[in-house]
Amino acid sequence: GAGVSQSPSNKVTEKGKDVELRCDPISGHTALYWYRQSLGQGLEFLIYFQGNSAPDKSGLPSDRFSAERTGGSVSTLTIQRTQQEDSAVYLCASSLALFGKLNNLANYGYTFGSGTRLTVV
Amino acid sequence: EDQVTQSPEALRLQEGESSSLNCSYTVSGLRGLFWYRQDPGKGPEFLFTLYSAGEEKEKERLKATLTKKESFLHITAPKPEDSATYLCAATYSSASKIIFGSGTRLSIRP
Repeated sequence: GAGVSQSPSNKVTEKGKDVELRCDPISGHTALYWYRQSLGQGLEFLIYFQGNSAPDKSGLPSDRFSAERTGGSVSTLTIQRTQQEDSAVYLCASSLALFGKLNNLANYGYTFGSGTRLTVV
Repeated sequence: EDQVTQSPEALRLQEGESSSLNCSYTVSGLRGLFWYRQDPGKGPEFLFTLYSAGEEKEKERLKATLTKKESFLHITAPKPEDSATYLCAATYSSASKIIFGSGTRLSIRP
């Protein structure tokens, strides 16, 4: 597609429920990233995919959070047993960068989606 | 600890009043320093990448500069449409991710 697409754009869920957030990256982008942005805060790194594998998942806050990517394209971020502190905007980004090829990363930066605003009530 | 710090948190300017936003970084082996613009309800939009101290890049009313410890985003004669949050970010030699600062909320009054 023309840009990074995320769905849903807004999600309100009850505490304790599971949620799935979807990201469709730009076609051909090998790298995919999930970030979380809380109100008034910077972007917090969650996980990075290169193809279908996740070389860096160091930012996932707890074992309630998981993510997968299939076909080197669509990614799903799943939050189990949601808590109120999970409320935030979840941003996905994709890049042409190849893992370890930092010059490519620096050239292209990331292209972000518009995010999913998650509210846990 | 690798981190990126931006100041001020918020800046209100009159249309045409030039100013600068600051980004200081403490990352080992900086490989790229990025500036993004974020409008409310949208994802960040890529503006610039800077690689080495002394480098400068320009786009319309914006100019980004880089030293060994910080980067500045200069805005010249801003217009109301320049109002947004400006995010600074950095990547370093062993990283596969970008570290973001908390941003500067810029508001330009007509």
